[in-house]
Amino acid sequence: AAGVIQSPRHLIKEKRETATLKCYPIPRHDTVYWYQQGPGQDPQFLISFYEKMQSDKGSIPDRFSAQQFSDYHSELNMSSLELGDSALYFCASSLGGRLYEQYFGPGTRLTVT
Amino acid sequence: GESVGLHLPTLSVQEGDNSIINCAYSNSASDYFIWYKQESGKGPQFIIDIRSNMDKRQGQRVTVLLNKTVKHLSLQIAATQPGDSAVYFCAETPSRTALIFGKGTTLSVSS
Repeated sequence: AAGVIQSPRHLIKEKRETATLKCYPIPRHDTVYWYQQGPGQDPQFLISFYEKMQSDKGSIPDRFSAQQFSDYHSELNMSSLELGDSALYFCASSLGGRLYEQYFGPGTRLTVT
Repeated sequence: GESVGLHLPTLSVQEGDNSIINCAYSNSASDYFIWYKQESGKGPQFIIDIRSNMDKRQGQRVTVLLNKTVKHLSLQIAATQPGDSAVYFCAETPSRTALIFGKGTTLSVSS
């Protein structure tokens, strides 16, 4: 069965650079969620989209923005990167905004040097 | 083996033992409570969920118990196997649009 696809899987950036993470949800899923997981930490909700509209916003810095496109894929744009942004970034998708039926992707490991 | 109290970061058990992982949640308004398993370098994987109007739900080798009086959730794994070694997170749904994770517990199974 098709799963959530994230790219790239690994990304190394320098401070103050920008990064774009991509997420391709499971086919027919219309809802995308983004999470940030620091080393040894629990995943922290960043932002979610349902039918291409932002549905909720969590602890996402103002330096970050995201959107969901017409094909339901989503991109997380991160600017003015800081060392503290180094983390695993997970995308999850669900159908019809069903929060309790999220399927997670393998994550993008971002390292800021 | 059991994680004593509300949360312990690690739980070590022998293969074949039963494991109990505990979690305290904070929001009485949550509709669903979910347990996820996360293996190293991978995304969280759904294990089992329970709706707030239930107090017990069973799956294959796993049981989730919900005690709303003390805002406590537990995951019981029967006959724990080495492949169960992972970090386990509970999550709650205080709103209809965001999942809030609790602190993870690392389960180590030795054979």
